[in-house]
Amino acid sequence: EAAVTQSPRNKVTVTGGNVTLSCRQTNSHNYMYWYRQDTGHGLRLIHYSYGAGNLQIGDVPDGYKATRTTQEDFFLLLELASPSQTSLYFCASRATDSGNTLYFGEGSRLIVV
Amino acid sequence: QQQVRQSPQSLTVWEGGTTVLTCSYEDSTFNYFPWYQQFPGEGPALLISILSVSDKKEDGRFTTFFNKREKKLSLHIIDSQPGDSAIYFCSASKNAGAKLTFGGGTRLTVRP
Repeated sequence: EAAVTQSPRNKVTVTGGNVTLSCRQTNSHNYMYWYRQDTGHGLRLIHYSYGAGNLQIGDVPDGYKATRTTQEDFFLLLELASPSQTSLYFCASRATDSGNTLYFGEGSRLIVV
Repeated sequence: QQQVRQSPQSLTVWEGGTTVLTCSYEDSTFNYFPWYQQFPGEGPALLISILSVSDKKEDGRFTTFFNKREKKLSLHIIDSQPGDSAIYFCSASKNAGAKLTFGGGTRLTVRP
């Protein structure tokens, strides 16, 4: 079973604050993704990566940076958090050669006050 | 513009009944359509998927139907159980290796 671990699971920060969400996968998957989940919008792709050092822009990238430091680790950075970034964030991974199945972590709930 | 749309946004059915969730998409080049199931407090997980070369795929109580001409999909759950209560996401991609576009989700509640 694929394993994707996110931290922190819950975070509250103030407007203008600096937040880093972390994701680690132990599946040797090449692809990693950051999504945000909001009611009515489903899951929207923020950034993704094919491998260490690679970064691709997703569909809703504004206000977010990401960095893939190793094959296992993918970070999402909010340098000036805004209330509109209050959301549930999911990391996912996918192998190159096993179709398109995404394996999701358990989510990180972020509240920006 | 949302490329993948789901309806209804929420649905309540009685235990033992049949649930029907629907999904439509815009991009005619989409050819891979997975459904993901999300239980409270968990991340989504793949439930069932279909390629555009098929019009039906079945897995136990879950069946997904695909209509290429109308650019629509549906997910049918027969003998719905309270344990099926979850959010269901329809999604689509241009091939099995490309990024997925998700619909807004349907929150299903199955009452005993």
